[in-house]
Amino acid sequence: EAGVTQFPSHSVIEKGQTVTLRCDPISGHDNLYWYRRVMGKEIKFLLHFVKESKQDESGMPNNRFLAERTGGTYSTLKVQPAELEDSGVYFCASSERAGTRETQYFGPGTRLLVL
Amino acid sequence: GQNIDQPTEMTATEGAIVQINCTYQTSGFNGLFWYQQHAGEAPTFLSYNVLDGLEEKGRFSSFLSRSKGYSYLLLKELQMKDSASYLCAVPRGKLIFGQGTTLQVKP
Repeated sequence: EAGVTQFPSHSVIEKGQTVTLRCDPISGHDNLYWYRRVMGKEIKFLLHFVKESKQDESGMPNNRFLAERTGGTYSTLKVQPAELEDSGVYFCASSERAGTRETQYFGPGTRLLVL
Repeated sequence: GQNIDQPTEMTATEGAIVQINCTYQTSGFNGLFWYQQHAGEAPTFLSYNVLDGLEEKGRFSSFLSRSKGYSYLLLKELQMKDSASYLCAVPRGKLIFGQGTTLQVKP
Protein backbone atom coordinates (compact mmCIF):
# COMPACT_ATOMS: atom_id res chain seq x y z
CA GLU A 1 0.00 0.00 0.00
CA ALA A 2 1.42 3.36 -1.01
CA GLY A 3 2.03 5.84 1.77
CA VAL A 4 1.34 9.55 1.85
CA THR A 5 3.18 11.30 -0.95
CA GLN A 6 4.01 14.97 -1.33
CA PHE A 7 5.21 17.04 -4.23
CA PRO A 8 7.58 18.73 -4.68
CA SER A 9 10.14 17.48 -2.22
CA HIS A 10 11.92 20.84 -2.31
CA SER A 11 11.00 24.30 -3.51
CA VAL A 12 13.08 27.46 -3.57
CA ILE A 13 11.23 30.63 -4.48
CA GLU A 14 11.64 34.35 -4.08
CA LYS A 15 9.64 36.48 -1.73
CA GLY A 16 6.41 37.53 -3.37
CA GLN A 17 6.12 34.49 -5.59
CA THR A 18 3.48 31.80 -5.38
CA VAL A 19 4.05 28.16 -4.52
CA THR A 20 1.61 25.27 -4.55
CA LEU A 21 2.29 22.14 -2.56
CA ARG A 22 0.49 18.88 -3.23
CA CYS A 23 -0.37 15.98 -0.97
CA ASP A 24 -1.75 12.59 -1.95
CA PRO A 25 -3.06 10.76 1.12
CA ILE A 26 -3.26 7.03 1.57
CA SER A 27 -6.07 5.70 -0.59
CA GLY A 28 -9.33 5.55 1.34
CA HIS A 29 -8.25 7.97 4.05
CA ASP A 30 -10.94 10.59 4.46
CA ASN A 31 -8.92 12.67 6.91
CA LEU A 32 -6.07 14.81 5.65
CA TYR A 33 -3.95 17.13 7.75
CA TRP A 34 -1.37 19.79 6.93
CA TYR A 35 1.42 20.61 9.38
CA ARG A 36 4.46 22.85 9.22
CA ARG A 37 7.84 22.90 10.92
CA VAL A 38 9.80 26.10 10.82
CA MET A 39 13.47 26.15 11.75
CA GLY A 40 14.10 25.35 15.39
CA LYS A 41 10.45 24.93 16.28
CA GLU A 42 8.08 22.05 16.75
CA ILE A 43 5.78 20.66 14.08
CA LYS A 44 2.58 22.70 14.16
CA PHE A 45 -0.87 21.97 12.86
CA LEU A 46 -2.25 24.02 9.99
CA LEU A 47 -5.56 22.45 9.03
CA HIS A 48 -7.67 19.31 8.78
CA PHE A 49 -9.91 18.11 5.96
CA VAL A 50 -12.59 15.48 6.25
CA LYS A 51 -13.14 14.46 2.67
CA GLU A 52 -13.43 17.78 0.82
CA SER A 53 -14.58 19.83 3.83
CA LYS A 54 -12.36 21.87 6.09
CA GLN A 55 -12.93 20.50 9.59
CA ASP A 56 -10.46 22.72 11.41
CA GLU A 57 -8.36 25.49 9.92
CA SER A 58 -7.40 27.11 13.20
CA GLY A 59 -3.68 26.70 12.52
CA MET A 60 -3.55 28.55 9.21
CA PRO A 61 -1.24 31.52 9.83
CA ASN A 62 -2.94 34.10 7.62
CA ASN A 63 -4.91 34.56 4.43
CA ARG A 64 -1.86 34.10 2.23
CA PHE A 65 -2.36 30.37 2.74
CA LEU A 66 -5.10 28.58 0.84
CA ALA A 67 -5.78 24.86 1.12
CA GLU A 68 -8.11 22.89 -1.09
CA ARG A 69 -9.18 19.30 -1.42
CA THR A 70 -11.51 19.18 -4.36
CA GLY A 71 -13.13 15.78 -4.75
CA GLY A 72 -11.88 14.65 -1.39
CA THR A 73 -8.74 12.99 -2.72
CA TYR A 74 -5.49 14.92 -3.03
CA SER A 75 -4.99 18.32 -1.43
CA THR A 76 -3.07 21.43 -2.38
CA LEU A 77 -1.69 24.16 -0.18
CA LYS A 78 -0.96 27.42 -1.93
CA VAL A 79 1.09 30.23 -0.47
CA GLN A 80 0.56 33.53 -2.24
CA PRO A 81 2.51 35.75 -1.95
CA ALA A 82 5.26 33.91 -0.11
CA GLU A 83 7.16 35.66 2.66
CA LEU A 84 10.52 34.83 4.21
CA GLU A 85 8.92 33.46 7.39
CA ASP A 86 7.02 30.87 5.36
CA SER A 87 10.23 28.88 4.94
CA GLY A 88 10.06 25.48 6.58
CA VAL A 89 9.00 21.91 6.03
CA TYR A 90 5.36 21.33 5.19
CA PHE A 91 4.05 17.90 6.14
CA CYS A 92 0.86 16.23 5.13
CA ALA A 93 -0.69 13.38 7.08
CA SER A 94 -3.76 11.22 6.63
CA SER A 95 -5.87 8.90 8.71
CA GLU A 96 -8.72 6.59 7.91
CA ARG A 97 -10.97 7.98 10.61
CA ALA A 98 -10.94 11.09 12.72
CA GLY A 99 -10.58 10.75 16.46
CA THR A 100 -7.96 11.14 19.08
CA ARG A 101 -6.82 7.50 18.95
CA GLU A 102 -6.39 7.41 15.21
CA THR A 103 -2.84 7.14 13.97
CA GLN A 104 -1.91 9.78 11.44
CA TYR A 105 0.46 8.69 8.68
CA PHE A 106 2.84 11.33 7.47
CA GLY A 107 4.38 12.14 4.14
CA PRO A 108 8.05 13.04 3.74
CA GLY A 109 7.34 16.75 3.59
CA THR A 110 8.05 19.59 1.19
CA ARG A 111 11.01 21.74 2.10
CA LEU A 112 10.18 25.33 1.19
CA LEU A 113 12.80 28.02 1.15
CA VAL A 114 11.70 31.59 0.49
CA LEU A 115 14.55 33.93 -0.43
CA GLY B 1 -3.45 25.19 26.45
CA GLN B 2 -0.95 22.47 25.77
CA ASN B 3 2.71 22.30 26.68
CA ILE B 4 4.97 19.43 25.75
CA ASP B 5 8.62 19.22 26.72
CA GLN B 6 11.39 16.92 25.52
CA PRO B 7 15.15 17.15 25.71
CA THR B 8 16.56 18.64 22.53
CA GLU B 9 19.46 16.26 22.03
CA MET B 10 20.76 13.00 23.40
CA THR B 11 23.77 10.86 22.62
CA ALA B 12 24.13 7.16 23.33
CA THR B 13 26.41 4.28 22.40
CA GLU B 14 25.59 1.44 20.07
CA GLY B 15 24.26 -1.53 22.02
CA ALA B 16 23.22 0.57 25.00
CA ILE B 17 19.79 1.55 26.34
CA VAL B 18 18.44 5.08 26.14
CA GLN B 19 15.35 6.66 27.66
CA ILE B 20 13.78 9.69 26.02
CA ASN B 21 11.44 11.61 28.29
CA CYS B 22 8.40 13.66 27.47
CA THR B 23 6.37 15.72 29.91
CA TYR B 24 3.06 17.24 28.98
CA GLN B 25 0.46 19.59 30.34
CA THR B 26 -2.84 19.40 28.54
CA SER B 27 -6.43 20.36 29.18
CA GLY B 28 -7.92 16.90 28.88
CA PHE B 29 -5.91 13.83 27.94
CA ASN B 30 -6.51 11.45 25.06
CA GLY B 31 -3.32 9.49 24.97
CA LEU B 32 0.17 10.16 23.71
CA PHE B 33 1.93 9.23 20.49
CA TRP B 34 5.61 8.66 19.76
CA TYR B 35 6.95 9.09 16.25
CA GLN B 36 10.41 8.50 14.80
CA GLN B 37 11.75 10.77 12.11
CA HIS B 38 14.95 10.18 10.19
CA ALA B 39 16.48 13.25 8.61
CA GLY B 40 14.62 14.22 5.46
CA GLU B 41 11.99 11.54 5.87
CA ALA B 42 8.42 11.25 7.08
CA PRO B 43 7.67 10.91 10.78
CA THR B 44 6.69 7.28 11.32
CA PHE B 45 4.42 5.96 14.03
CA LEU B 46 6.07 4.12 16.91
CA SER B 47 3.53 3.86 19.70
CA TYR B 48 0.33 5.13 21.26
CA ASN B 49 -0.31 5.00 25.02
CA VAL B 50 -3.55 5.90 26.69
CA LEU B 51 -3.35 3.78 29.84
CA ASP B 52 -0.68 3.91 32.51
CA GLY B 53 2.17 1.49 32.26
CA LEU B 54 4.76 0.12 29.91
CA GLU B 55 4.03 -1.19 26.43
CA GLU B 56 6.77 -3.17 24.77
CA LYS B 57 7.26 -3.55 21.05
CA GLY B 58 10.49 -5.30 20.23
CA ARG B 59 13.46 -3.11 21.07
CA PHE B 60 11.21 -0.12 21.69
CA SER B 61 8.98 0.38 24.71
CA SER B 62 6.81 3.30 25.72
CA PHE B 63 5.69 4.22 29.22
CA LEU B 64 2.95 6.51 30.42
CA SER B 65 2.03 7.98 33.79
CA ARG B 66 -1.10 10.07 33.48
CA SER B 67 -0.96 11.31 37.06
CA LYS B 68 2.54 12.70 36.49
CA GLY B 69 1.95 13.94 32.96
CA TYR B 70 4.96 11.95 31.86
CA SER B 71 5.94 9.50 29.19
CA TYR B 72 9.16 7.97 28.02
CA LEU B 73 10.39 5.99 25.07
CA LEU B 74 12.91 3.29 25.89
CA LEU B 75 15.20 2.06 23.16
CA LYS B 76 17.21 -1.08 23.88
CA GLU B 77 20.17 -2.62 22.07
CA LEU B 78 20.75 0.61 20.22
CA GLN B 79 21.73 0.41 16.58
CA MET B 80 23.28 3.07 14.40
CA LYS B 81 20.05 3.25 12.40
CA ASP B 82 18.23 4.43 15.55
CA SER B 83 19.89 7.83 15.10
CA ALA B 84 16.85 10.00 14.41
CA SER B 85 14.50 12.51 15.96
CA TYR B 86 11.88 11.18 18.34
CA LEU B 87 8.70 13.18 18.62
CA CYS B 88 6.06 12.92 21.30
CA ALA B 89 2.63 14.27 20.49
CA VAL B 90 -0.74 14.50 22.15
CA PRO B 91 -3.92 14.29 20.09
CA ARG B 92 -6.53 17.01 20.21
CA GLY B 93 -8.12 16.12 16.91
CA LYS B 94 -4.93 17.42 15.44
CA LEU B 95 -1.57 16.38 16.91
CA ILE B 96 0.25 18.72 19.27
CA PHE B 97 3.96 17.99 19.06
CA GLY B 98 6.90 18.53 21.31
CA GLN B 99 10.08 19.91 19.76
CA GLY B 100 11.50 16.45 19.30
CA THR B 101 14.62 14.80 20.69
CA THR B 102 17.50 14.24 18.28
CA LEU B 103 19.25 11.03 19.24
CA GLN B 104 22.75 10.35 18.01
CA VAL B 105 23.99 6.79 18.35
CA LYS B 106 27.77 6.48 18.34
CA PRO B 107 29.83 3.36 17.70
